[in-house]
Amino acid sequence: DTAVSQTPKYLVTQMGNDKSIKCEQNLGHDTMYWYKQDSKKFLKIMFSYNNKELIINETVPNRFSPKSPDKAHLNLHINSLELGDSAVYFCASSITADTQYFGPGTRLTVL
Amino acid sequence: AQSVTQLGSHVSVSEGALVLLRCNYSSSVPPYLFWYVQYPNQGLQLLLKYTSAATLVKGINGFEAEFKKSETSFHLTKPSAHMSDAAEYFCAVSDKGSGTYKYIFGTGTRLKVLA
Repeated sequence: DTAVSQTPKYLVTQMGNDKSIKCEQNLGHDTMYWYKQDSKKFLKIMFSYNNKELIINETVPNRFSPKSPDKAHLNLHINSLELGDSAVYFCASSITADTQYFGPGTRLTVL
Repeated sequence: AQSVTQLGSHVSVSEGALVLLRCNYSSSVPPYLFWYVQYPNQGLQLLLKYTSAATLVKGINGFEAEFKKSETSFHLTKPSAHMSDAAEYFCAVSDKGSGTYKYIFGTGTRLKVLA
């Protein structure tokens, strides 16, 4: 009965491809996030949605496009993948400023 | 803008010894502060949080942290380290000032526990 789930867990693809990562939360939270963790373990916010509305859009290449079909789902689509996109991507959810609950992560490897 | 500094990217302690992981923050408003733990190839799990209530916060697995406004610190401690505590630890501040509640993470501290 996973609170925040992500699919796939691992994603290996070639440069130039387009891929998507899906995230779902069953906690009833109204805010969802995408974070990127680089090879040095540094975590940085990419996007956040509140009730399907984009509220945070950090300095991220526009090849990255989040989509929230409803408040329980936040997907991340990446166009024209580059080597530098290789990282672990975490989805999280919360109620406003309180605790964020993280998914297990998706390890993206671009070859 | 808020920020978080974690001193020491790697900390090694002997099993049974005190664990002290340091976190300093900067914030123009009273912060919410969090410690998360990440075990290898896993997501982040909340250890404890400070949200303007008691300054000494107790968390899971025997960890605790003390909010010290005068020192702008939120250091994580555990009296006696176990081998199972070996992991990456992240301090985070919730950027309430922006109205968006995004986390600003520190760079992480890898804890190694020696037998």
